Amino acid sequence: QKEVEQDPGPLSVPEGAIVSLNCTYSNSAFQYFMWYRQYSRKGPELLMYTYSSGNKEDGRFTAQVDKSSKYISLFIRDSQPSDSATYLCAMSAGSGNTPLVFGKGTRLSVIA
Amino acid sequence: NAGVMQNPRHLVRRRGQEARLRCSPVKGHSHVYWYRQLPEEGLKFMVYLQKENIIDESGMPKERFSAEFPKEGPSILRIQQVVRGDSAAYFCASSPSGGGQPQHFGDGTRLSIL
Repeated sequence: QKEVEQDPGPLSVPEGAIVSLNCTYSNSAFQYFMWYRQYSRKGPELLMYTYSSGNKEDGRFTAQVDKSSKYISLFIRDSQPSDSATYLCAMSAGSGNTPLVFGKGTRLSVIA
Repeated sequence: NAGVMQNPRHLVRRRGQEARLRCSPVKGHSHVYWYRQLPEEGLKFMVYLQKENIIDESGMPKERFSAEFPKEGPSILRIQQVVRGDSAAYFCASSPSGGGQPQHFGDGTRLSIL
């Protein structure tokens, strides 16, 4: 079993739809959870950063963490064509100096 | 306010040559991380450095690969005697402190091996 599982898609939705992206993980030591957005030929851009369980909202984006189920989600409301990108979940134990463990990424297309 | 700067953006090498990838972290960040991304794969951790020290190199192949982050100047990822399997995008990230702080990424160096 991989440490972090993420459906690669592709996921195609109409403009204005609510998008739900998810990752599951196996390592119960993970405490810090991130979502990055990556456009083609560019580096990952940090979207959301959360610690432990709970919800965090930032504009059209909401991140949810359920540590009991080892499941994290990113919701995008009122999706726009400019949201078309690959979305990567990442997590770390955060104790000491630990690297990020990434999912493979979900490719999202928002159709105008 | 410059972010993480990587150069070159594209690098072409022939098999057996050396590749040097450079990374200048965000100003004030003292922690640097290198990741490799293969096509259709997520980013895989390679090495974590602080100024003049390698903290964690568990993801870096033992042979041909080395990394440094000197007191002055950028971090360098060096690949000796490159092979076709080294073709990938190499990303550098930096953070102001370790231990779960968000990492900010550069736009990567795309290495192609002929």
